[in-house]
Amino acid sequence: LAKTTQPISMDSYEGQEVNITCSHNNIATNDYITWYQQFPSQGPRFIIQGYKTKVTNEVASLFIPADRKSSTLSLPRVSLSDTAVYYCLVGDIYTGTASKLTFGTGTRLQVTL
Amino acid sequence: GAVVSQHPSRVICKSGTSVKIECRSLDFQATTMFWYRQFPKQSLMLMATSNEGSKATYEQGVEKDKFLINHASLTLSTLTVTSAHPEDSSFYICSASSHRELLQETQYFGPGTRLLVL
Repeated sequence: LAKTTQPISMDSYEGQEVNITCSHNNIATNDYITWYQQFPSQGPRFIIQGYKTKVTNEVASLFIPADRKSSTLSLPRVSLSDTAVYYCLVGDIYTGTASKLTFGTGTRLQVTL
Repeated sequence: GAVVSQHPSRVICKSGTSVKIECRSLDFQATTMFWYRQFPKQSLMLMATSNEGSKATYEQGVEKDKFLINHASLTLSTLTVTSAHPEDSSFYICSASSHRELLQETQYFGPGTRLLVL
């Protein structure tokens, strides 16, 4: 399983764009990159998933360079409610059975006024 | 879509008793379910992987006789903490995944169960 490395914490003001970068140097050819958000005492919530280049949905964008050794989650115009822990995970999702995900430390994002 | 529920949301029990936690996929068939444990201020730690109709696969260091997992149907998995002790107090989270439906095998997580053993 590819190991991921993220900053332990980040601070931002409300209304700013936040970019959280994750390193996954040992990512395998079949691995996808998935980001989750977790609030205290809740289960992780799926944010976005991608394989290469750029993926965008209604809440975030995911940028993946050509070598796929890193990825960046971009949260546009964060609000106080975006204060949470963000996890980057890598796993092979097309093996026919669900692959295990290894959670790293995650990035604790604190948004203030 | 892709909703996973857990019951109970929190439970307090006496040391030595057993506690059962249910994990249900409400709107899809979960061919695989995962059980995690999370201690305060820490990340999620995978305990076991459960495929429907087969025995669970436990991670190293997780006692299979203490944490009994049953995945009898495509929508239900249960985790039973047997003879619970205070050190088992934690936040238990399940996730569900399916390779039969167009979910790209993303894991969808339940809301978690807070267990406190007195």
